[in-house]
Amino acid sequence: EPEVTQTPSHQVTQMGQEVILRCVPISNHLYFYWYRQILGQKVEFLVSFYNNEISEKSEIFDDQFSVERPDGSNFTLKIRSTKLEDSAMYFCASSRSTDTQYFGPGTRLTVL
Amino acid sequence: QQPVQSPQAVILREGEDAVINCSSSKALYSVHWYRQKHGEAPVFLMILLKGGEQKGHDKISASFNEKKQQSSLYLTASQLSYSGTYFCGTPRRGGADGLTFGKGTHLIIQP
Repeated sequence: EPEVTQTPSHQVTQMGQEVILRCVPISNHLYFYWYRQILGQKVEFLVSFYNNEISEKSEIFDDQFSVERPDGSNFTLKIRSTKLEDSAMYFCASSRSTDTQYFGPGTRLTVL
Repeated sequence: QQPVQSPQAVILREGEDAVINCSSSKALYSVHWYRQKHGEAPVFLMILLKGGEQKGHDKISASFNEKKQQSSLYLTASQLSYSGTYFCGTPRRGGADGLTFGKGTHLIIQP
């Protein structure tokens, strides 16, 4: 069964550094998403991406964040100048259309 | 606005039933239900797209009352594997939008 994959599973970085989180969505899916989950809290929407552009972003997704689909398979989230409060689990999700979103296993980001 | 889930937590014995509610202050186009186990990703359970729609999967089913802007998830004869946090999510605008999730309902099933 196809699934969303994410790398790395755990990323540790120093405050102020840049990180890139990578995702490979399910191959025939057209809609891609990033969510984050701070430990013990709910899942929060960051951004959605369709047809090679951002279709929607939340108030969390400020200029510090950017997304890219550099090739036909990868979908990346870049966080510039990381802050302590960026520490969270970051989930990538994809969907074929306006229905089920399948989540990847997540990347745990720890900012020191 | 995020959907509101109730109860916040439930502790059951194996074999007992549970109902988890999800309500919204705005019109709902659809409701998505997920279960998340500790340290894992949310796993899709079901999506309800029409008002009044009910769906079932094994002993887990859900209903969607569009008029009342709410959905309920029913777990029948709960099994140990049902333990986890259940989230309902609603599209932010409609269509293939990101989901706004409720705060979750923690379900603990004891043997």
